Amino acid sequence: GENVEQHPSTLSVQEGDSAVIKCTYSDSASNYFPWYKQELGKRPQLIIDIRSNVGEKKDQRIAVTLNKTAKHFSLHITETQPEDSAVYFCAASNSVGSARQLTFGSGTQLTVLP
Amino acid sequence: NAGVMQNPRHLVRRRGQEARLRCSPMKGHSHVYWYRQLPEEGLKFMVYLQKENIIDESGMPKERFSAEFPKEGPSILRIQQVVRGDSAAYFCASSPNGELVTFGSGTRLTVV
Repeated sequence: GENVEQHPSTLSVQEGDSAVIKCTYSDSASNYFPWYKQELGKRPQLIIDIRSNVGEKKDQRIAVTLNKTAKHFSLHITETQPEDSAVYFCAASNSVGSARQLTFGSGTQLTVLP
Repeated sequence: NAGVMQNPRHLVRRRGQEARLRCSPMKGHSHVYWYRQLPEEGLKFMVYLQKENIIDESGMPKERFSAEFPKEGPSILRIQQVVRGDSAAYFCASSPNGELVTFGSGTRLTVV
């Protein structure tokens, strides 16, 4: 099955700096890579996603890059703000027979220091 | 659309009791997933169901745990004879296509 590794497990940055979270995946057939943000005590929520036919996608201060050859993808947050503090999870969509499911990374606790 | 509805939000059970966690997927979503999250840890896949069928239960312990998604009604995650180690947040998620996944608010199970 798919295996998704995520680094770092914790990340502290100063407000206004950039944050980068990296993930690798094992199943070359995976073709959909979402990122979720989970604030303390709340549900994970989708913040951005990318498909394997695209190398980069940007949405305001958030961007995701994908390197299919190396099987890794990254989340970039620019001009970080205190409200960006949360746990971020990457995921890869892989096949189970004719169906698909998400395999998640272990999460990155991002802390933005004011 | 009310989103993915899970109940109860909090559940306290004594060791040895049964826990039943319910999940109503978003309207039009036929794919349901259950994930477990231990304190300060990631989301661990448990089981993937479509209506009346278990597609993948590779993440679910073989004993004491079972899941169903009947033709009518919510998906149920059932834990028999709960132990302290079962204390966790259990998240249900639903999807129309197995990719665009929306999570519920979770059920926080505490075993005392």
